[in-house]
Amino acid sequence: DGGITQSPKYLFRKEGQNVTLSCEQNLNHDAMYWYRQDPGQGLRLIYYSQIVNDFQKGDIAEGYSVSREKKESFPLTVTSAQKNPTAFYLCASSPYRADSGNTIYFGEGSWLTVV
Amino acid sequence: KQEVTQIPAALSVPEGENLVLNCSFTDSAIYNLQWFRQDPGKGLTSLLLIQSSQREQTSGRLNASLDKSSGRSTLYIAASQPGDSATYLCAVSSTGNQFYFGTGTSLTVIP
Repeated sequence: DGGITQSPKYLFRKEGQNVTLSCEQNLNHDAMYWYRQDPGQGLRLIYYSQIVNDFQKGDIAEGYSVSREKKESFPLTVTSAQKNPTAFYLCASSPYRADSGNTIYFGEGSWLTVV
Repeated sequence: KQEVTQIPAALSVPEGENLVLNCSFTDSAIYNLQWFRQDPGKGLTSLLLIQSSQREQTSGRLNASLDKSSGRSTLYIAASQPGDSATYLCAVSSTGNQFYFGTGTSLTVIP
């Protein structure tokens, strides 16, 4: 089935550790996104990528890093510089058209907890 | 910058009632608007997509309308059921493949 797969579903991080969240899509979408969602709050954009080997910072990129070496993969690393990483992380993808509207599709999310 | 607002933040209704959720946006230069459903601890599932040239879209008991000039959209749910309990979010798509999300309306349908 086509879709977006995020792993792991649950992740625990110790203080000072870097962790990487995986996101894979088989929808052949050009654009991929990472959002952070805190309890009772909306989605905040961390990073996005419109094409392979290119990505842009979103509203809350500090303490995070990404790579886009393959069209289908967009992993997110939460570094030790992120002061409050406990949150729900959502990966999304969209077919990229600069001059027309698009739809966005989401994975099932990953819960990250700092212990 | 585009701002998307959803009112109310939470809504509780008895089963069988018809209800309306609201979404407003500040910049009318949008390509489309999507309504999503989010169950606790899950990702977002797309419910309806309205292109900027359209006025409404329907899927089963759901009907979404769009008034781009006034920056408003509504999601109408007919004959609500307990299984409709979830958070509903709207998002607008604009230039450069950017998406702007509201903070959602948490709906509880009481049996």
